[in-house]
Amino acid sequence: DAGVTQSPTHLIKTRGQQVTLRCSPKSGHDTVSWYQQALGQGPQFIFQYYEEEERQRGNFPDRFSGHQFPNYSSELNVNALLLGDSALYLCASSPGTPPGNEQFFGPGTRLTVL
Amino acid sequence: AQKITQTQPGMFVQEKEAVTLDCTYDTSDQSYGLFWYKQPSSGEMIFLIYQGSYDEQNATEGRYSLNFQKARKSANLVISASQLGDSAMYFCAMREGGSSNTGKLIFGQGTTLQVKP
Repeated sequence: DAGVTQSPTHLIKTRGQQVTLRCSPKSGHDTVSWYQQALGQGPQFIFQYYEEEERQRGNFPDRFSGHQFPNYSSELNVNALLLGDSALYLCASSPGTPPGNEQFFGPGTRLTVL
Repeated sequence: AQKITQTQPGMFVQEKEAVTLDCTYDTSDQSYGLFWYKQPSSGEMIFLIYQGSYDEQNATEGRYSLNFQKARKSANLVISASQLGDSAMYFCAMREGGSSNTGKLIFGQGTTLQVKP
């Protein structure tokens, strides 16, 4: 039983570019949440997708957008990259309704913006 | 607003000894969940233990136990018989509760644990 998977593992972009990160949830989970973790900090909630819709959003600008596909996998898109977007991006999956006590994370995508 | 506070940036423990990592939280919700995660240098967030706000017993998972003191709003993690592989960053997190429960987690700043041989 595969856990949460994310791709790519590492990514280097330059300021102003756009990036797409991908996540496949754990089998049986239909909800995907995205978090940003800056170096030395705790993860910060970006948004959550359930039934292909954004269910909740954290305090992030519109440059951060996402999508969920019918197979529950998800993408995180960041436009007009800034140096401050350099971080580890974590995807977490959980059962949708109710979320329950399961919140399993993937290995993360480490984004570096130069 | 919900908040998690971890006041120990770094901790040292001798191998085979027990260690307690502190976590306090602030919430006005009656229903909430508390989580502890371990994050090795590889970056993956590994789930350790969960405590629900209505659980009367303290949660335990192998060498991990959660010392839940609801009145004091604390949820400390106790690791017994520390091993070298326990060296990592540890995060305390809270899931918002109530009717709008979506499972969003709020994390503390983390505590770096180093186990000495």
